[in-house]
Amino acid sequence: ILNVEQSPQSLHVQEGDSTNFTCSFPSSNFYALHWYRWETAKSPEALFVMTLNGDEKKKGRISATLNTKEGYSYLYIKGSQPEDSATYLCASPETSGSRLTFGEGTQLTVNP
Amino acid sequence: GAGVSQSPSNKVTEKGKDVELRCDPISGHTALYWYRQSLGQGLEFLIYFQGNSAPDKSGLPSDRFSAERTGGSVSTLTIQRTQQEDSAVYLCASSLGHYRTDTQYFGPGTRLTVL
Repeated sequence: ILNVEQSPQSLHVQEGDSTNFTCSFPSSNFYALHWYRWETAKSPEALFVMTLNGDEKKKGRISATLNTKEGYSYLYIKGSQPEDSATYLCASPETSGSRLTFGEGTQLTVNP
Repeated sequence: GAGVSQSPSNKVTEKGKDVELRCDPISGHTALYWYRQSLGQGLEFLIYFQGNSAPDKSGLPSDRFSAERTGGSVSTLTIQRTQQEDSAVYLCASSLGHYRTDTQYFGPGTRLTVL
């Protein structure tokens, strides 16, 4: 079973601040990395699927980078808004199939 | 189009009772997954269905847990003789295919509380 770790566990920022958090994963046998946003009482929402070393993806004010050689991905949020408050999850598929192993998430709170 | 739906949204049951949780995947998606999140834990894989292949049951925590997928669409997760440690949010996801790069689309979950 893969070991996917996220840090920090929680984060409180002020509206307008930019922030970032980390997902680390085994660099050997890497295949893909998935990022999700999970707001309370809603479905986890897919943000990105990343596959290539050096990949950078962007969706509005959220972007992510990938380093497969060292086994980490960063998620950045520019100009945080209260509606960005959520738990951000990263996940990697097992080498034996497509089931995902998730990190424990980073809980972001953006204060107005 | 319609996303993944799950029912019920909340379920409170007494220890020892059986429960059934339902998942309606996105139409046309061939892969269906069940995960759960217990309090203070990360999302944990339970079981995976892909087309007509035998399901991957390797994540089921005990033989009290079972799941089926009828007609390649709706899935039901059954927990027999529920225990307090079964309390969790149970999430269903579906994807178009079974590749590791395929996005898994999640339902809103069923919050199960075992008293």
